Amino acid sequence: KNQVEQSPQSLIILEGKNCTLQCNYTVSPFSNLRWYKQDTGRGPVSLTIMTFSENTKSNGRYTATLDADTKQSSLHITASQLSDSASYICVVSARAGNMLTFGGGTRLMVKP
Amino acid sequence: EADIYQTPRYLVIGTGKKITLECSQTMGHDKMYWYQQDPGMELHLIHYSYGVNSTEKGDLSSESTVSRIRTEHFPLTLESARPSHTSQYLCASSARLNGEETQYFGPGTRLLVL
Repeated sequence: KNQVEQSPQSLIILEGKNCTLQCNYTVSPFSNLRWYKQDTGRGPVSLTIMTFSENTKSNGRYTATLDADTKQSSLHITASQLSDSASYICVVSARAGNMLTFGGGTRLMVKP
Repeated sequence: EADIYQTPRYLVIGTGKKITLECSQTMGHDKMYWYQQDPGMELHLIHYSYGVNSTEKGDLSSESTVSRIRTEHFPLTLESARPSHTSQYLCASSARLNGEETQYFGPGTRLLVL
């Protein structure tokens, strides 16, 4: 069964600090992995998308890594801001049918 | 910003009522999806469509139904709402971008059935 596990479930950090969110998956055959940011009461918004051959990708203060061998990904947030408070969802796409498997998300709260 | 819209954004309704959640997109995407998400939980696919007159059930069993008469419109209907239907419903559409299928989500409809 395809699964995506994220850790931690929730995280509180002080404004300006860095943090790293983890994603482990068992989706096969792997097509790509996305990180989404979901503000409370809103739909998810894509931050990065990574394919099998990509190890790292940045989008501003967000840097995602992918290790396709160990089936792990991380999302690193640098110099956190209050507006980074949201749920961060790891989503993995299987090659067949492009159906997505969603992780449970990490709820990040950035405090002043 | 993706051009995908959902109405209503919030809905409080009594048990037994029929409701339709609207979803529309102006990007001309063929593929559209409905997800159900309980607070703090992951998204579950309940319906999807690969184009006009195409509808399929998703991974999570749902008593709702969908229709796809026009490319831009993918409404979801509950014939008789129950408290167990209380949840957030997210609509999405997708297109192939740089060789990869990318989903764009609407803002969601938060449904509360009393």
